[in-house]
Amino acid sequence: QQQVKQSPQSLIVQKGGISIINCAYENTAFDYFPWYQQFPGKGPALLIAIRPDVSEKKEGRFTISFNKSAKQFSLHIMDSQPGDSATYFCAATVTGNQFYFGTGTSLTVIP
Amino acid sequence: EPEVTQTPSHQVTQMGQEVILRCVPISNHLYFYWYRQILGQKVEFLVSFYNNEISEKSEIFDDQFSVERPDGSNFTLKIRSTKLEDSAMYFCASCFGRSNQPQHFGDGTRLSIL
Repeated sequence: QQQVKQSPQSLIVQKGGISIINCAYENTAFDYFPWYQQFPGKGPALLIAIRPDVSEKKEGRFTISFNKSAKQFSLHIMDSQPGDSATYFCAATVTGNQFYFGTGTSLTVIP
Repeated sequence: EPEVTQTPSHQVTQMGQEVILRCVPISNHLYFYWYRQILGQKVEFLVSFYNNEISEKSEIFDDQFSVERPDGSNFTLKIRSTKLEDSAMYFCASCFGRSNQPQHFGDGTRLSIL
């Protein structure tokens, strides 16, 4: 059973555009939703995270939107840059337990 | 910034051999994890470890796998008799506490089984 579903699988965006990656989850007990960025040959690095009591969180060009009733959350990257080209994973967890990762989105930002 | 470090970066092993992957978590972290990522696929949870015992494990983590914290700094994953399908990136992660603390990942060990 796939706990977290992520889309799209790949995304190509022009420099300066907005990149949007979506995730949906099933388990209503999940209480922490991080996004990780992974460059080739490197481990996942925490980008931004949100808790279900907040509908939006913004850090610089990165924003998480969270819809608790729909059990969905998304990552928005504003003013996308070529350096943002990476694979992005959403994840969800019940506090302190294993992270359930989405299948990843390969983002390419074209100069 | 403190980092999770993993060694070796690449391990090549013959099928059937034992392999030990090593991790040094961030020093004040209390919770430790192993994940694996088969090439091009998502990151999958293997096991979590707290207070010198396994707190959670996935169905992937069968009797061929074991974890150990042999001293105050290292956290190891042992695969007793490797199979071809064990070829993957193995990531160690750690976090300080249970309350929505982010897990910090190392850069992984690429395990290649021949």
